[in-house]
Amino acid sequence: GQQVMQIPQYQHVQEGEDFTTYCNSSTTLSNIQWYKQRPGGHPVFLIQLVKSGEVKKQKRLTFQFGEAKKNSSLHITATQTTDVGTYFCAGQAGANNLFFGTGTRLTVIP
Amino acid sequence: DAGITQSPRHKVTETGTPVTLRCHQTENHRYMYWYRQDPGHGLRLIHYSYGVKDTDKGEVSDGYSVSRSKTEDFLLTLESATSSQTSVYFCAISDKLRDGYTFGSGTRLTVV
Repeated sequence: GQQVMQIPQYQHVQEGEDFTTYCNSSTTLSNIQWYKQRPGGHPVFLIQLVKSGEVKKQKRLTFQFGEAKKNSSLHITATQTTDVGTYFCAGQAGANNLFFGTGTRLTVIP
Repeated sequence: DAGITQSPRHKVTETGTPVTLRCHQTENHRYMYWYRQDPGHGLRLIHYSYGVKDTDKGEVSDGYSVSRSKTEDFLLTLESATSSQTSVYFCAISDKLRDGYTFGSGTRLTVV
């Protein structure tokens, strides 16, 4: 079955440092989405990538979709305490449902 | 998020009892989903609906059933709750198959 692996599982960074989380799928994806979940909260949709090699930016966040459409990354530049939370990727293959990765929990040390 | 509510927010129930969780949306979205979230497993799909009375199983559907008699309501039922069903349950909605999902605030269910 479809699997989406996400690494690292945890990441502690000093405020101001950069952060990257990686997502790898066992199958070619039609699209990939990213979500953020604050501690005690619910997942919130951030962005969707559809095209091979696509790069999208949201302020300090940069999202990439691999050329083979089997991997993706989220990079945060100069982390802030407001970035704390768990970041999930979720991949979709064809008409199948979204399959979530296990998430990367980010802790930002002030 | 505005437009999707889950009830109850918290529930403690005994093993063997039936439990129903409710998801209500005011967005008129076609698709509705039930997920459970457990440490180390991320979000796993239980059941989903693609229209009124149209539902299908997800990857962890054993022990769960769903119903959708109206566009706005999607019910998740645990016929006979077990301790392994202790979890946080999230409902989500989307208008199209490849849209981003909007999640409810979740229901924390404890089965004792």
